[in-house]
Amino acid sequence: KQEVTQIPAALSVPEGENLVLNCSFTDSAIYNLQWFRQDPGKGLTSLLLIQSSQREQTSGRLNASLDKSSGRSTLYIAASQPGDSATYLCAVRAANDYKLSFGAGTTVTVRA
Amino acid sequence: EPEVTQTPSHQVTQMGQEVILRCVPISNHLYFYWYRQILGQKVEFLVSFYNNEISEKSEIFDDQFSVERPDGSNFTLKIRSTKLEDSAMYFCASSVDSASYNEQFFGPGTRLTVL
Repeated sequence: KQEVTQIPAALSVPEGENLVLNCSFTDSAIYNLQWFRQDPGKGLTSLLLIQSSQREQTSGRLNASLDKSSGRSTLYIAASQPGDSATYLCAVRAANDYKLSFGAGTTVTVRA
Repeated sequence: EPEVTQTPSHQVTQMGQEVILRCVPISNHLYFYWYRQILGQKVEFLVSFYNNEISEKSEIFDDQFSVERPDGSNFTLKIRSTKLEDSAMYFCASSVDSASYNEQFFGPGTRLTVL
């Protein structure tokens, strides 16, 4: 069974600092990995998807890397802003599977 | 930009009652999913649906749950006899197909409260 872990559980940084969010998974036979943003009481907004054959994916200030063999992905957010405050979820889709397996998330607070 | 929509945003029901949660997936998407998130816990997969059939379901998705695509646009989750532990945020998601480069897009969720 795929287990997804996100460390740290919470992070507080001053505005302008770069954010580094970590995700690890136990089964390296993945199909893809998605990063989501969740605001309190709201739905999930897809930020980036990395296919198993890719090493990284970029969108604006966001960059996600994937090391499938070691079971790790990292989300980098450059020059953080207070509007980046949210919970960030990592979700893995296993090969031959339809479902996403989620981590518990990292709650980020960016202080103005 | 196309988005997944869900109704209602909040549903309150008595234990033992039936509830139907409704979703309108993105129009050209072929795969549909339900997930749930109990307060303070991880998002959990319930079921995936393609071509009018369940393609995968979790152990949570027992006989009390069913899904249906009653017409060309709606996708529903029915809980026959709700329990207190069914209280959660239920998310609908959809994807174009099952290819590795296609994201699952999530709706805003329905908060179900069982009293």
